[in-house]
Order: sequence, then structure tokens, then C-alpha cells
Amino acid sequence: NAGVTQTPKFQVLKTGQSMTLQCAQDMNHEYMSWYRQDPGMGLRLIHYSVGAGITDQGEVPNGYNVSRSTTEDFPLRLLSAAPSQTSVYFCASSIGQGTGELFFGEGSRLTVL
Amino acid sequence: DAKTTQPPSMDCAEGRAANLPCNHSTISGNEYVYWYRQIHSQGPQYIIHGLKNNETNEMASLIITEDRKSSTLILPHATLRDTAVYYCIVRVVGTGNQFYFGTGTSLTVIP
Repeated sequence: NAGVTQTPKFQVLKTGQSMTLQCAQDMNHEYMSWYRQDPGMGLRLIHYSVGAGITDQGEVPNGYNVSRSTTEDFPLRLLSAAPSQTSVYFCASSIGQGTGELFFGEGSRLTVL
Repeated sequence: DAKTTQPPSMDCAEGRAANLPCNHSTISGNEYVYWYRQIHSQGPQYIIHGLKNNETNEMASLIITEDRKSSTLILPHATLRDTAVYYCIVRVVGTGNQFYFGTGTSLTVIP
């Protein structure tokens, strides 16, 4: 199993550009989520999904869109990037609403100029 | 979900036990205590979790006080590879699995 795979690992955007951060998991996990991590801020939840076709907002959803058309994939879209979205983004998944552990990807470092 | 309070940083000598405290005085009866760690800029890694009994696995031990208002993560023989930020999280089971991370404790293991 590859676990949770994020692409790209690094990306530089100009203000106003759009892009999609990809996240895929091969563990048949129902739950997937996106976090961002800024220096000194810990991890903050952006969006999450409890299953295919279901998404919901976390703590800091503004400026981001998500969809969950399959169990495996949970892309994060930035429609019009802003410098405030410069951050490291982590995707995570877990089995479901039980007490299962959260598995993280290796992160995607995004810089918006 | 209940909030947690952790010291921002700690040091530990290599080979000694590292005891990382966490205060969660407002924890409710159905909230579990989870510990994760993040080494450098990697994705966080699960360590251990528990409800009210003490737990032990190959990585660490989790000691939860009887009133459940605080807990301690114990790394029995800290190595340099244990240098990381450690997050204590409390989470209600069945709410969609949201984990809310604070700023954690930065543990430095000193040779």
C-alpha cells in the first residue's frame, strides 16, 4: 500500500492563479481531510469528507473548494490563489467515524507570490 | 471538542524517559485522548490513544488521570529520532473524525 499520496510536493503560483492539490489513498478509508500548516499555528482543518459524495467545512474553508467523487481521491482546489494561502498542506485519511488513527500524506508546499 | 494545553517546549536527555504532559480539564466522557507527533516538516504520525485506561504500545505509554482531566505521554528511552513536535488531541467519537491540532510541545532530545 502506498498510503496517502499527495501531489505536487512543491508549487509556486502567482496571485489569482488556480490550481488543484491532489490527494489519493489506497486504504479504502471513508474519511479524508485537508489541513494547512503555517509557522507557529499548528495544523488547521480546511475541509473534510466522511464518504464519497459528502464534504463539509472545517476551521478555515474560505478560498478552497473540495469534492469527493470517489472513495480514493479528495482534491483541494484553489480558485484564485492569494499570498495568504502560502502554506504547507497535508491530506489525511482514516477508516471512518470510529477510533481509527489518522494517516497523513507527506505534504504539499505552496508558495503564492 | 475539549481544548488541550501543552507546554510549548521541553528537553530530554538521550536514553532517559520523556514525559510530555497534556491538560484537558474540560474533556467529556465520550472524548478520547490522542497523541501524534510531527518530525521536522513531515506529516504527523499517530502514536497512541486512549479513553480512560492507561495504554502502551511499541512507541509509547499513555497515562490518563482518574478524573481524565490530564494525561502524560511517556517515551521510555528517548532517542535523537524522537525530536519532534508532539500534539495532544481530544476527540469525540462519531462526529466525522475531525482532529483539531493545537501547537503542541516541541521536544528536543539532547545527546
